[in-house]
Amino acid sequence: ETGVTQTPRHLVMGMTNKKSLKCEQHLGHNAMYWYKQSAKKPLELMFVYSLEERVENNSVPSRFSPECPNSSHLFLHLHTLQPEDSALYLCASSLTSGGDNEQFFGPGTRLTVL
Amino acid sequence: KNQVEQSPQSLIILEGKNCTLQCNYTVSPFSNLRWYKQDTGRGPVSLTIMTFSENTKSNGRYTATLDADTKQSSLHITASQLSDSASYICVAKRGNTGKLIFGQGTTLQVKP
Repeated sequence: ETGVTQTPRHLVMGMTNKKSLKCEQHLGHNAMYWYKQSAKKPLELMFVYSLEERVENNSVPSRFSPECPNSSHLFLHLHTLQPEDSALYLCASSLTSGGDNEQFFGPGTRLTVL
Repeated sequence: KNQVEQSPQSLIILEGKNCTLQCNYTVSPFSNLRWYKQDTGRGPVSLTIMTFSENTKSNGRYTATLDADTKQSSLHITASQLSDSASYICVAKRGNTGKLIFGQGTTLQVKP
C-alpha cells in the first residue's frame, strides 16, 4: 500500500445529498491533493494544500468544498452534485508541494451521482 | 498548449510477450517525466521518473526511455505477466510552475 487511505471506497448519492470524502496519509507529508479521474480522460487536479493552507484551486465548482484540518487529513465535502460529477476521486500526498517530490496516491473513491 | 498524448489507447497482448507504450509531450519548460501504473480500482503507482538529461531508466521488467529533443518517451514491458494488466499513465512536469500534465493513459490487457 502507498500509505494514503481513502474512505469510502464507493459512494452513490442523489443530487440533493450532502456527503464527504476522507483522505488520510501516514507518510509525514506536508502537501495533499484532490484529483478527479473521469473515464478516458486525464487526471484533473482539483485542489492543492500545503501545510494545511490551500495553495491551488483549479476553477472547481463551489459544490466541491475541500477542508484540510491538519497535514495528515484532507476532506472533500460534496453537495448538490450533478450526474457529470460521477468519477473516481483520488487523493495524493507528497513531501512538499514543490520540487521533484513524488506524489503517492490513495486508492480513490468511486462516486456515482444519480 | 501543454499536453501529453499517449498511444495506443488500449492494447491486448499474450502473456510472455513484450510491448511498448508511447508518450509524446509538448510541455514547456520541461522538468521531468514519470510513468505510473494504475491497477483497476486503485490509485496510480510510480514506475519511473526521468529528468531531461536521462535517456533510459529501468524498474524490473519495465524500461522507460526519454528523448528530450523529440519530446517522446516510451515504456517497454518485457516478458509480460497477467499482473501487468493495468492502465499506464505518462505524466510530464512543467519546470516553472511545477504542474503535472497527465496523459489519458494506455490500457493494457495481458491474456493467458
